[in-house]
Amino acid sequence: ETGVTQSPTHLIKTRGQQVTLRCSSQSGHNTVSWYQQALGQGPQFIFQYYREEENGRGNFPPRFSGLQFPNYSSELNVNALELDDSALYLCASSPGTGLTDTQYFGPGTRLTVL
Amino acid sequence: DQQVKQNSPSLSVQEGRISILNCDYTNSMFDYFLWYKKYPAEGPTFLISISSIKDKNEDGRFTVFLNKSAKHLSLHIVPSQPGDSAVYFCAASGRSNYQLIWGAGTKLIIKP
Repeated sequence: ETGVTQSPTHLIKTRGQQVTLRCSSQSGHNTVSWYQQALGQGPQFIFQYYREEENGRGNFPPRFSGLQFPNYSSELNVNALELDDSALYLCASSPGTGLTDTQYFGPGTRLTVL
Repeated sequence: DQQVKQNSPSLSVQEGRISILNCDYTNSMFDYFLWYKKYPAEGPTFLISISSIKDKNEDGRFTVFLNKSAKHLSLHIVPSQPGDSAVYFCAASGRSNYQLIWGAGTKLIIKP
């Protein structure tokens, strides 16, 4: 069983640009959640997808959007990048959406916005 | 508004002794609490969890204690080992909201 992978590892963008981050979930995991982790803070929930539908969203603006595909891959898209978007972006997959479904995290993508 | 707080940014413990990491929360609707461990350049790894109907859960060297009246939980690691050196995050969620709310983390350093 493969773990959760993310690409790219690091990324540098300039303010106003758009970025797409990718995640490959564990096989059989129908749920993927995306988090933003700023330096010195815990992860903050961006949104969750279950079977290719958005299943919930945290306090992030609409310029953060996502997609989940049938092959257990997913994307996080961020438009009109701002300096404050610089952070580690983590994706996590889980079998379902239950309260006790353990989330398995990828290593993250470090985004720097200049 | 920080709903989950880990007030100690770092903690240093002698190898073989007990490590106690603390976490406080403010939202009484939280039903489920988790601890994750994170090594540099890796994603967080699930460690142990506890439901609000329990006050203790044990898994090998790791024990989590929940005090609902004080809105406080703690993670005990006995005995501490060098491989336990990592950042530990406390997280919480509720039945009405599947989101995991995370603390800022505590960096645990195990000294040989």
